[in-house]
Amino acid sequence: GQQVMQIPQYQHVQEGEDFTTYCNSSTTLSNIQWYKQRPGGHPVFLIQLVKSGEVKKQKRLTFQFGEAKKNSSLHITATQTTDVGTYFCAGREGNYGQNFVFGPGTRLSVLP
Amino acid sequence: NAGVTQTPKFQVLKTGQSMTLQCAQDMNHNSMYWYRQDPGMGLRLIYYSASEGTTDKGEVPNGYNVSRLNKREFSLRLESAAPSQTSVYFCATRRQRIYNEQFFGPGTRLTVL
Repeated sequence: GQQVMQIPQYQHVQEGEDFTTYCNSSTTLSNIQWYKQRPGGHPVFLIQLVKSGEVKKQKRLTFQFGEAKKNSSLHITATQTTDVGTYFCAGREGNYGQNFVFGPGTRLSVLP
Repeated sequence: NAGVTQTPKFQVLKTGQSMTLQCAQDMNHNSMYWYRQDPGMGLRLIYYSASEGTTDKGEVPNGYNVSRLNKREFSLRLESAAPSQTSVYFCATRRQRIYNEQFFGPGTRLTVL
């Protein structure tokens, strides 16, 4: 079945440094979503990417969908303490499937 | 609007006990999901319901049953709890237009002794 992997598992950065997490799927995806979960909280939707090679930005966050639609990345510029949390990608194979398969997440710590 | 609500927030069970986790949404979404989250393993789908009256197994359905009572409510039942079911359980709904994003409830933290 479909598998979604993320690296790194953990990342510790100094406030102001950049951060990138990578997501890789064993199969071609129709779309991919990114979620953020603060410690003790629940996942919150950040963005969805649909097109091959798509790049979207949200303030300091840049999301990219690979050309082959099997990988994606999330890059945060100049991290802040508010960026602390676990970032999950979730991929869907078909356009009408009900299910998104979540990656194991990357936990980000930001040292002030 | 409350969004997605879950009860209870915390629960401790003994092995073999049964319980039902409740989830309700006021977002008028058709699709609802139950996930479990274990350290280092992300979110794994237990069951989902594409619409009222339908339910389907996800990745890890063994030991669980679900009921889609109506459009608003989707419950998860553990008939005979086991320590391996110690986890955080999240209910979610999905908006099926535009972004397809999932909206998660606050979670239920379950410990089985």
